[in-house]
Amino acid sequence: AQKVTQAQTEISVVEKEDVTLDCVYETRDTTYYLFWYKQPPSGELVFLIRRNSFDEQNEISGRYSWNFQKSTSSFNFTITASQVVDSAVYFCALSEDTNAGKSTFGDGTTLTVKP
Amino acid sequence: EPEVTQTPSHQVTQMGQEVILRCVPISNHLYFYWYRQILGQKVEFLVSFYNNEISEKSEIFDDQFSVERPDGSNFTLKIRSTKLEDSAMYFCASSEDRGVAETQYFGPGTRLLVL
Repeated sequence: AQKVTQAQTEISVVEKEDVTLDCVYETRDTTYYLFWYKQPPSGELVFLIRRNSFDEQNEISGRYSWNFQKSTSSFNFTITASQVVDSAVYFCALSEDTNAGKSTFGDGTTLTVKP
Repeated sequence: EPEVTQTPSHQVTQMGQEVILRCVPISNHLYFYWYRQILGQKVEFLVSFYNNEISEKSEIFDDQFSVERPDGSNFTLKIRSTKLEDSAMYFCASSEDRGVAETQYFGPGTRLLVL
């Protein structure tokens, strides 16, 4: 069975601080996919990234970066120089299938960025 | 920019009634998904759909649920006999393909309230 743990329920930072959101996963499969989604206060869901288990290269996209470490079963998400607009709930998810089917989500981390 | 649309935005129904939630995925997309989010809780995968059939489904997606692509544009989720615990936000998503560069695009959601 697959499981995703986001141990940080809530994080509060001041604008321009860097912040890392942790995600630890469990799976028995050797092939799996990891995702991060953002849910701002307005409620919509926004897909951020998809990473497969064979690609351990870290990913950077603007102020966002992701650190995938198979050895610790973690897929952490860092926001550099946080902004108020980054305030949202962030969900990490795991899928043992290519197309995000049967994905399991973590409970989410609520990030508040204060001005 | 193309977007996924969902109707209605809100629906209130009586327990035991049938509801149909509608989604219009992005036109050239081939993969479709339904997720739900009970208020204040994590996102849960319901079903994925490809090539006019269910690709994967979760344990939540029991016989009370069905999905359909009745024409070339709509993708519907039907709940045959709603229960109180079906009250949630339902998100539709689509992706272009099941390939490596897959990005999911989410609709704004339908908030379902079962009384």
